[in-house]
Amino acid sequence: QFVLTQSPSASASLGASVKLTCTLSSGHSSYAIAWHQKQPGKGPRFLMKVKNDGSHIKGDGIPHRFSASSSGAERYLIISSLQSDDEAEYYCQAWGTGIQVFGGGTKLTVL
Amino acid sequence: QVQLMESGGGLVKPGGSLRLSCAASGFTFSAYHMTWIRQAPGKGLEWVSYISSTSNYINYADSVKGRFTISRDNAKNSVYLQMDSLRGADTAVYYCAKSERGVIPAAIESWGQGTLVTVSS
Repeated sequence: QFVLTQSPSASASLGASVKLTCTLSSGHSSYAIAWHQKQPGKGPRFLMKVKNDGSHIKGDGIPHRFSASSSGAERYLIISSLQSDDEAEYYCQAWGTGIQVFGGGTKLTVL
Repeated sequence: QVQLMESGGGLVKPGGSLRLSCAASGFTFSAYHMTWIRQAPGKGLEWVSYISSTSNYINYADSVKGRFTISRDNAKNSVYLQMDSLRGADTAVYYCAKSERGVIPAAIESWGQGTLVTVSS
């Protein structure tokens, strides 16, 4: 079964960095994923696409503070110099075998 | 820039029907695959359906298969979601999204603002 696993919550201080994790299920560890940001009351926003080698392509206007990496079945979203506006839910998305899947999302709190 | 504008949401009784529309602009609509995703209250994002640029490839999540129908009109730069036999579990904000070119399914690279569908008696 094609599943993406994310921790439900994360927190970090204003100005610090945070690393969010998305884990691909067994048999899908080589798949690319996309990261999306969802703020309350707004439509989601595409952040970037991340390949299994860690290379990533950002969406238009995404700040340099946002980056990504990969290790095995894990895909990471790294946000540096955290701002209050980064407080949001972050979802990973993958595709393949005819379907699309989303992780359960990580709610990021900026302290 | 890319704009996706959903419409057609509202309140409908269980067993009823609703048709969502998504008007696209700012890109060559006929070249891109399109997807519908939803988010139920307090829940995460759930993929609903996608349609290829030429309508040759279509697929649905198991939760809506046989009840929802996706279609598109490239002349009108629009994609639609016909929702029949609606249930309470279909209550959600429905988002229209543009996928990247090439293989299908694919990464989503643009989202609309969403339209709320409420199924309740």
